[in-house]
Parts: sequence; C-alpha cells; structure tokens
Amino acid sequence: RKEVEQDPGPFNVPEGATVAFNCTYSNSASQSFFWYRQDCRKEPKLLMSVYSSGNEDGRFTAQLNRASQYISLLIRDSKLSDSATYLCVVNANNNDMRFGAGTRLTVKP
Amino acid sequence: NAGVTQTPKFQVLKTGQSMTLQCAQDMNHNSMYWYRQDPGMGLRLIYYSASEGTTDKGEVPNGYNVSRLNKREFSLRLESAAPSQTSVYFCASSEATGGNYEQYFGPGTRLTVT
Repeated sequence: RKEVEQDPGPFNVPEGATVAFNCTYSNSASQSFFWYRQDCRKEPKLLMSVYSSGNEDGRFTAQLNRASQYISLLIRDSKLSDSATYLCVVNANNNDMRFGAGTRLTVKP
Repeated sequence: NAGVTQTPKFQVLKTGQSMTLQCAQDMNHNSMYWYRQDPGMGLRLIYYSASEGTTDKGEVPNGYNVSRLNKREFSLRLESAAPSQTSVYFCASSEATGGNYEQYFGPGTRLTVT
C-alpha cells in the first residue's frame, strides 16, 4: 500500500466549477501536510500548507482530518489556469517527505 | 535570483555509463534534496543533505551517490547507469529540514538509460 494515495483523475471540469481532491496517508505519526502544484513537464511548487484547523487561500481551501488520515483540497470558481497536477505531500519523519502520485485537473472553457 | 538550477536538462546514457547531475541554489538554504519522479508514482527521495557537510539516504538511494560540495551545490552521481534509473530527477532546497519548510525545486533533468 502506498504511503500517500490520491485519485489520479483526470478531473475534467468547466470554468467556474468547484472541485475537490482527497488524499489519504498511512503513517499516523505524520506531522506536516502540504499541497503542491505541478504543471506539465515542470517542477512542483508549493500551493499551500495544510493546518489542523483547516486553512484558506483565496479560492483554495485545505482541510486535514487526522482521525481518518486524509487531507482535502477544494478549489472554488475554477480558472483555466488551475489546470495542473496537484500533489499531496506528507512529512512523516522530519526529513522524510512522502509525495502522492498526483491528481490531474483540466479546467475547460 | 535564479533559485534552484540543474544541469543538464536532458541526458541519454547507455547502460553502464556514469554521469553526475549538478544542482545549485542561490537562496542560502541549508538543506538540499534529490528526488526522482516516475510515471504513476510520487516523487521519491534519493538522498538529502540537512546542512553543509552532511548527507543522508532517503527512500531509494541504491545506485546513487551524492556530494554536498558547499552550501550552494549538491551533486548526484550515477556510477553505472541502469535502465531502471530512467526518470526525471529533481533537486530541491529548503531553509532547513523539518516539515514546516517549503521546498523549492529545480526544473528537473530528464534522464534516459538505454
């Protein structure tokens, strides 16, 4: 079983839609959680950290459920520029960042 | 301010050849990392360097060696390349190790071993 699992998608949504991604992790000792964004054939870039209380950054909302060991990312009012692969990242042991394989999103006009 | 740079961008090797991937950062970060990314899999950590002068194994270190040349530079060496090492290699850096620090990635090196 992978340590960090994501639905690979692809998610194809129209502009303006709301879309949600989930990610589950297996190591209950995990301490830090992130969402990174990766454009096609580019490097990953941090989208947002995920805090226990949940956090929001503009159209993006991230939530953490430690009891069920999952993280979610909600994107409201999708834009064409949101098309990318979204990587769930879990820090299990200080230096040990585990990446999910990513969920691909395509926003269509 | 270039961030994290990697050379080369592309490389084709024959089985058994050796090569070194170079990485440099200009953000004065203490920690640096090497990952590989394969289709259908997440990035996997090969080696990291928490600070200048130290290196440690990550999840998939076999077949690789690293050198933290100075604070700026962290190289990855394949001594005898194998087709299983065909991948995209990313170097990253962060202010420090530990979960709360953002990692900044280089543009990647696409390596094919035939």
